[in-house]
Amino acid sequence: RKEVEQDPGPFNVPEGATVAFNCTYSNSASQSFFWYRQDCRKEPKLLMSVYSSGNEDGRFTAQLNRASQYISLLIRDSKLSDSATYLCVVRGVTGNQFYFGTGTSLTVIP
Amino acid sequence: DVKVTQSSRYLVKRTGEKVFLECVQDMDHENMFWYRQDPGLGLRLIYFSYDVKMKEKGDIPEGYSVSREKKERFSLILESASTNQTSMYLCASSFPGGGTEAFFGQGTRLTVV
Repeated sequence: RKEVEQDPGPFNVPEGATVAFNCTYSNSASQSFFWYRQDCRKEPKLLMSVYSSGNEDGRFTAQLNRASQYISLLIRDSKLSDSATYLCVVRGVTGNQFYFGTGTSLTVIP
Repeated sequence: DVKVTQSSRYLVKRTGEKVFLECVQDMDHENMFWYRQDPGLGLRLIYFSYDVKMKEKGDIPEGYSVSREKKERFSLILESASTNQTSMYLCASSFPGGGTEAFFGQGTRLTVV
């Protein structure tokens, strides 16, 4: 079983739409959780960390459900510039390793 | 601005060549990682290092080795390049433990012909 699973999409949404991505992780003792954004042919970059209480950064909201072992990312009022692949990332029990989902592709259409 | 720098952005090598990919970070991170990324497979860990001269195998170490002689530098070596090693290679670094994130280099797109 994979450590982190994501729906690969693709998600094609119109500008202004709200879109949600989910991801599940297998190890209940995992320590830390993140969403990364990766543009085509570029490196992944941190979008936001995910905290147990949930957190928001502008149009982006991340939530963690430890009981169900899933993480979500909500993007409101989608912009063309949000088009990218979004990676769900879990930091392992020892704190040394990161486990990546395969990414969810988002295209925002004018 | 924090930096992870990979030595090459694009590289073309011949089958059987020994290939060195270099990565340098300026954040005094203990942990450094090498991943490869292929379409549909996501990022797969090749090796990681949690200290100078320390290394651990990741999920796909076959055909690769690594070297970490200094804290800031982590090298990936393809002993004898093969066409199935054509991929995007990403180096990353982080502090150990806690809630801190990984920082990535810009990636090296390696083509083995």
